[in-house]
Amino acid sequence: DGGITQSPKYLFRKEGQNVTLSCEQNLNHDAMYWYRQDPGQGLRLIYYSQIVNDFQKGDIAEGYSVSREKKESFPLTVTSAQKNPTAFYLCASSIDRATEAFFGQGTRLTVV
Amino acid sequence: DAKTTQPPSMDCAEGRAANLPCNHSTISGNEYVYWYRQIHSQGPQYIIHGLKNNETNEMASLIITEDRKSSTLILPHATLRDTAVYYCIVSPRGGSNYKLTFGKGTLLTVNP
Repeated sequence: DGGITQSPKYLFRKEGQNVTLSCEQNLNHDAMYWYRQDPGQGLRLIYYSQIVNDFQKGDIAEGYSVSREKKESFPLTVTSAQKNPTAFYLCASSIDRATEAFFGQGTRLTVV
Repeated sequence: DAKTTQPPSMDCAEGRAANLPCNHSTISGNEYVYWYRQIHSQGPQYIIHGLKNNETNEMASLIITEDRKSSTLILPHATLRDTAVYYCIVSPRGGSNYKLTFGKGTLLTVNP
């Protein structure tokens, strides 16, 4: 059963703590993406990766970091430098950057 | 810089066709029109894409005007499960400029 798995679905953290969101895909896709969604808003691109060991900043990369050590995994770390980290985070993948993206079910992060 | 314009909301009766418009008057020759939808609190789902010809798949039809400045997504027989936010996106297919930028979309409410 192929797809994209984000875990956990809900995550709570105290202000000032770093937190890492997991994204795993078994679709053998080269490209992976992280988006952030705030209530009533569209999706904004944080980071994307076209291939293992390579990634590029999106529109709102400040306060976030990523790694792409394996093709199937693209974890996102929300650092304490991110001023408003509470949001809905979505991971996606595509065969390459030329094809349609498939999304995970998201992680809702709440920082208190 | 919004590249597409969509109405914020639309209503449709169950069983009737839902026609969702999108204006993309500044579309470039190499940019495709993509449609995604997002059911509340889930990840977006790819629906369909096209360049200049009309396209149809099992989910929907995409009608692109001859000048490519606008398009319409058609759900032929809307059901309650089609209630979602629908996003129209324009992007090159591949290349260094490929990026899916999601605006606020159109909230389609299908009524019984």
